[in-house]
Amino acid sequence: DGGITQSPKYLFRKEGQNVTLSCEQNLNHDAMYWYRQDPGQGLRLIYYSQIVNDFQKGDIAEGYSVSREKKESFPLTVTSAQKNPTAFYLCASHYYTEAFFGQGTRLTVV
Amino acid sequence: SQQGEEDPQALSIQEGENATMNCSYKTSINNLQWYRQNSGRGLVHLILIRSNEREKHSGRLRVTLDTSKKSSSLLITASRAADTASYFCATKGSGNTPLVFGKGTRLSVIA
Repeated sequence: DGGITQSPKYLFRKEGQNVTLSCEQNLNHDAMYWYRQDPGQGLRLIYYSQIVNDFQKGDIAEGYSVSREKKESFPLTVTSAQKNPTAFYLCASHYYTEAFFGQGTRLTVV
Repeated sequence: SQQGEEDPQALSIQEGENATMNCSYKTSINNLQWYRQNSGRGLVHLILIRSNEREKHSGRLRVTLDTSKKSSSLLITASRAADTASYFCATKGSGNTPLVFGKGTRLSVIA
């Protein structure tokens, strides 16, 4: 099946720890995006990548880092510098202008 | 920058009724899209309308776009309990600008 796979579905992190969220796609799309969603809120753009080995900051990049070494993979690291990381994280690929989303990772800081 | 703003924030209707939600945006766009999100899941693309189009239909969905007012509306006709979800508009500018999502409308359809 083609699609976007995010793992894990649920993730717990202790304060001060870095954690990496996985996003893999087999749709052969060039562009990939990371969004953050807080309860009852819309999607805010963290980082996006239009092509391998290149990425741009979105509106809320502080405290996050990404890499794009392969077309299929766009992992997001939530660093200890992110002061309020508890949220629902969504990864998407874009084909022309349409976005295809994974099922999300819910990150909770304990 | 969140460009789309949906209205209302929440909407509760009876099964069989029509549901209308609106989206306003601030700058010029190439196209506007509507997405649906079931609770705790990813978003699913519903329909896209280009800046030179005024109305588009897909099944029970009808989307309108008024670029002079920088607004769009999504109409779901003959709603079903399964339509219960959050609905987001997303705007796309020209070139490689990223898709920008609004805060969404939570629709509850009561059987």
